[in-house]
Amino acid sequence: DTEVTQTPKHLVMGMTNKKSLKCEQHMGHRAMYWYKQKAKKPPELMFVYSYEKLSINESVPSRFSPECPNSSLLNLHLHALQPEDSALYLCASSPGTGRTEAFFGQGTRLTVV
Amino acid sequence: QKEVEQNSGPLSVPEGAIASLNCTYSDRGSQSFFWYRQYSGKSPELIMSIYSNGDKEDGRFTAQLNKASQYVSLLIRDSQPSDSATYLCAVSQGLTGGGNKLTFGTGTQLKVEL
Repeated sequence: DTEVTQTPKHLVMGMTNKKSLKCEQHMGHRAMYWYKQKAKKPPELMFVYSYEKLSINESVPSRFSPECPNSSLLNLHLHALQPEDSALYLCASSPGTGRTEAFFGQGTRLTVV
Repeated sequence: QKEVEQNSGPLSVPEGAIASLNCTYSDRGSQSFFWYRQYSGKSPELIMSIYSNGDKEDGRFTAQLNKASQYVSLLIRDSQPSDSATYLCAVSQGLTGGGNKLTFGTGTQLKVEL
């Protein structure tokens, strides 16, 4: 089982809204990631959590706030986004030690209006 | 210089042919290499991982790694129309705080024609 589940699949939000993206994995992986992908571009890393601690923040604006409530869950809280933040947001997980393969969820297509 | 480079394509091959996708990377200390397939509007799907020099085969897919030349390739034998997608090469960097950072190439669009 290499499943990473993301909700919602699609999200439309206004610039004054607050919303959250959710991600769940039950593979026992200890590293979880948020990536952002714009059209016709490769995914770009935003945040890394390792053993539920924030390991990397790739200089992401504070309107994006990650949270890792436990080893299976990862959230991305969104507030006061801009239209240019519209993108596919991808959650991924990897074992964290030894093997380094990362498995992606199906993504959340976010549109900011 | 881009860290991971791929030809953007499109690469067109006839059905049943071998598709050859190439990737070069700049960090000589890189240890882990991956190929992801991404259909339009979908998320990346891991299809191959390779860690040591040489070839690794899985079904119709063969990944090749040459660390001296900093070169990774993916061969797809007996290409099918369902193989039409963008193929992303990714190089992994271990992080001090744990986890890994994947750096992706821009992807090669493959079209398998009937």
